[in-house]
Amino acid sequence: GQNIDQPTEMTATEGAIVQINCTYQTSGFNGLFWYQQHAGEAPTFLSYNVLDGLEEKGRFSSFLSRSKGYSYLLLKELQMKDSASYLCAVRGRDGNKLVFGAGTILRVKS
Amino acid sequence: EPEVTQTPSHQVTQMGQEVILRCVPISNHLYFYWYRQILGQKVEFLVSFYNNEISEKSEIFDDQFSVERPDGSNFTLKIRSTKLEDSAMYFCASSLTDYGYTFGSGTRLTVV
Repeated sequence: GQNIDQPTEMTATEGAIVQINCTYQTSGFNGLFWYQQHAGEAPTFLSYNVLDGLEEKGRFSSFLSRSKGYSYLLLKELQMKDSASYLCAVRGRDGNKLVFGAGTILRVKS
Repeated sequence: EPEVTQTPSHQVTQMGQEVILRCVPISNHLYFYWYRQILGQKVEFLVSFYNNEISEKSEIFDDQFSVERPDGSNFTLKIRSTKLEDSAMYFCASSLTDYGYTFGSGTRLTVV
C-alpha cells in the first residue's frame, strides 16, 4: 500500500519563501510529482523527481530523498496567485497510476 | 499548448441513471486515465487505459464503471447506475510517457 502525508494548511506572506513537506511510505517507488490545484479546477503539473536531489524550475523547486521517503516543494517570491492547494503524488513501481496526498492549502497574505 | 478536453463541465443526474463522461486526450498521447475527487477529499485513481485495454483499476472501479475508446480521439467513462456517493469531480488525464500527465478541467457530477 501507499501512504502520503502533507500538512493540511499553511499561511505565508507575499514575497516570502515557503516550504511544503511531503512524506511517503510505498511498496515501490517510481517518481514523485507536485501539482497545484486551484479550487474547482484541475491539478496542474509543477515538478517531477525520480532521483535524489533538487529540481529547480523558476520560482518553484522540489527536493527528493528516497532513503527518507521525503520530498518538499519550495516556492520563492510568493505571489497572491500562489494561493492554492499543493498536491504531492507518488507513482509506485507497478503501473503508471498516481497516488495523491490530501493536499496542502497554501494561503498567501499581503 | 495542447490540452485535455472534458465534456460536459457539469452534469446533474438522478440516482440510478446512467451517465457518460467524455474526454478528448492530447492527440499523440498513449496512456489515458480517470481520476475522481469528492468535494474536500483527495484525488483518487480510478482506471488507466493503454493499447485499447484497461491496464490497471482501483477497487473503486467496480462493475458499475466502464471505459471505452470508441474512436481515435474520445475516451469515455460510463457509470451504469449512479449512486449519491458517485457525486464528485471526475478528471481525465493523458500522458505520452510515464510522466508528464496532463489533466482535463474536469466534469462535476452531481447525483440527486
